[in-house]
Amino acid sequence: DTAVSQTPKYLVTQMGNDKSIKCEQNLGHDTMYWYKQDSKKFLKIMFSYNNKELIINETVPNRFSPKSPDKAHLNLHINSLELGDSAVYFCASSQAGGPHTQYFGPGTRLTVL
Amino acid sequence: AQKVTQAQTEISVVEKEDVTLDCVYETRDTTYYLFWYKQPPSGELVFLIRRNSFDEQNEISGRYSWNFQKSTSSFNFTITASQVVDSAVYFCALGFTGGGNKLTFGTGTQLKVEL
Repeated sequence: DTAVSQTPKYLVTQMGNDKSIKCEQNLGHDTMYWYKQDSKKFLKIMFSYNNKELIINETVPNRFSPKSPDKAHLNLHINSLELGDSAVYFCASSQAGGPHTQYFGPGTRLTVL
Repeated sequence: AQKVTQAQTEISVVEKEDVTLDCVYETRDTTYYLFWYKQPPSGELVFLIRRNSFDEQNEISGRYSWNFQKSTSSFNFTITASQVVDSAVYFCALGFTGGGNKLTFGTGTQLKVEL
């Protein structure tokens, strides 16, 4: 059973397009996250949701919009994609409070051409 | 402000050597948590350990051991008798209570274990 899953695993698209990445966790966790890993492997948090409520929003361009339909899902929608958005995006989940251990999904490699 | 420094960008060792990955952190919080994650070439992030600031006991898990020293703000990770499968990027991370579960990651250390 996959604990944190993301789709798609690879996403190649043109500049200016809009795309979404989906994330689901079956760990029963209340908190979910999106991280961006750049080409130098640097990991930085983008958003955190606790039970569908936005907790952390780390100076991310408003072209990025997370959506949490329920506490097991956290999707990331990106409008007007730019070359600099190319990266690996990781979803993660944890228990609320803490900081508790965050369990990561397999990542989505986004390439903007 | 929270900061994690992994000064070793890349380490190469020969199989069966012991290797230590350094992690130095900065925080003003008295209660905080430290983590290590492994990112193998396949790309996923694998959790290795979580340690809180009140527990300075060293931990051993198989060939892995962790040395937490508050006096030097370090949380170093040693792999004993390294194996090729240990080749990965290893990340140290810092979190604190009240931070909304935010983790600050170091820049990672690429470990290459060769035959």
